[in-house]
Amino acid sequence: EAGVVQSPRYKIIEKKQPVAFWCNPISGHNTLYWYRQNLGQGPELLIRYENEEAVDDSQLPKDRFSAERLKGVDSTLKIQPAELGDSAVYLCASSLGPTYYNEQFFGPGTRLTVL
Amino acid sequence: QKEVEQNSGPLSVPEGAIASLNCTYSDRGSQSFFWYRQYSGKSPELIMSIYSNGDKEDGRFTAQLNKASQYVSLLIRDSQPSDSATYLCAVKTVRNTPLVFGKGTRLSVIA
Repeated sequence: EAGVVQSPRYKIIEKKQPVAFWCNPISGHNTLYWYRQNLGQGPELLIRYENEEAVDDSQLPKDRFSAERLKGVDSTLKIQPAELGDSAVYLCASSLGPTYYNEQFFGPGTRLTVL
Repeated sequence: QKEVEQNSGPLSVPEGAIASLNCTYSDRGSQSFFWYRQYSGKSPELIMSIYSNGDKEDGRFTAQLNKASQYVSLLIRDSQPSDSATYLCAVKTVRNTPLVFGKGTRLSVIA
């Protein structure tokens, strides 16, 4: 079974430029998560999708971040414009559903460097 | 604020020894507990999940949960140099709450 797929793996941009990350979850997983992980920290949730609906985006900086999950499968996370503090690893994860026992599986992540 | 606390380490153990990693959490309503392993430059990899008090064993790994004391631990028996990584503890309450991660404990297994 294929795991969570993310692209690109690395991205270097200058501040104020836009950037987008793509995620394809494990087949059959209805719940998709975007996390941000800073160096030396655990992942922090940005947004959670149940199928195509964003059900928890309270930690998403909505002035510059946006996300979509068209057709309830693939998802895209966008930053526009990027700031220096956005440098981090952006992780996508998926699970069968949102209940407490559903295990989350992570993709390889996208390492973003903003210069 | 829901918190998950871990000793950042590094925890150094000799090859073949038992490594013991600990995690405490603040939310008494927490229902599920996960251990992830993260190698440097890689993404977190799920290694254990536990939902009820007691021990759960999977190969060389044993997760232990004590809800009354609000701690969860991970034991790694016969530690190998390949076990050297950061171990993240993650805790979840009910359906619509996010998974909360600790900062991780860095484990170093010395050959």
